Amino acid sequence: EAAVTQSPRNKVAVTGGKVTLSCNQTNNHNNMYWYRQDTGHGLRLIHYSYGAGSTEKGDIPDGYKASRPSQENFSLILELATPSQTSVYFCASGDAPGRNERLFFGHGTKLSVL
Amino acid sequence: GEQVEQLPSSLIVQEGASVLINCSYTDSASVYFPWYKQEPGKRLQFIIDIRSNMERKQTQRLTLLFDKKTKHLSLHITATQPGDSAIYFCSATNSAGNKLTFGIGTRVLVRP
Repeated sequence: EAAVTQSPRNKVAVTGGKVTLSCNQTNNHNNMYWYRQDTGHGLRLIHYSYGAGSTEKGDIPDGYKASRPSQENFSLILELATPSQTSVYFCASGDAPGRNERLFFGHGTKLSVL
Repeated sequence: GEQVEQLPSSLIVQEGASVLINCSYTDSASVYFPWYKQEPGKRLQFIIDIRSNMERKQTQRLTLLFDKKTKHLSLHITATQPGDSAIYFCSATNSAGNKLTFGIGTRVLVRP
């Protein structure tokens, strides 16, 4: 089965600190995504990537950067963390570029910014 | 951009009963609608999908209906089991095929 692994699973950060969330996939999928999940909003797309070296802005990219150094790895970076970025973050990879894509998700990272 | 609305936000049923989750979207150019399930403490998992050229799709106890004219979908789960307790997400893929928009989810609790 497709495997997407996120680390860390839980993170407590201080306001103004730098946070890096990591994601690794062993599916050899080209597409990878970062979402955040908040009560009342469902999942919202932050950044995505079509392959190594590429990153694209999603619907809510402000305050976040992304990095795709390889096919397997996709990181989400919060340069200056704020309490509003407290959330659960999900990474996903996609198995079919185009309009029929099913996503495979990681377990999520619970981030608390104090 | 695309907006996806789901109702109800939560529901409770007795084991064996049926569940109906409604979903509507706004972008008439959306063509693909996958649904995901998130069990407590587990990752989201794909459960069923439908394309805009179909009206109905069924897999085991799940039936997904699609009405392109009204931009409405409904997921029917029959003979529910405690293992069906989860949050169910409707989603829609934009016409360019590069972004998936999710609804807020429907939390289903099946009581034994």
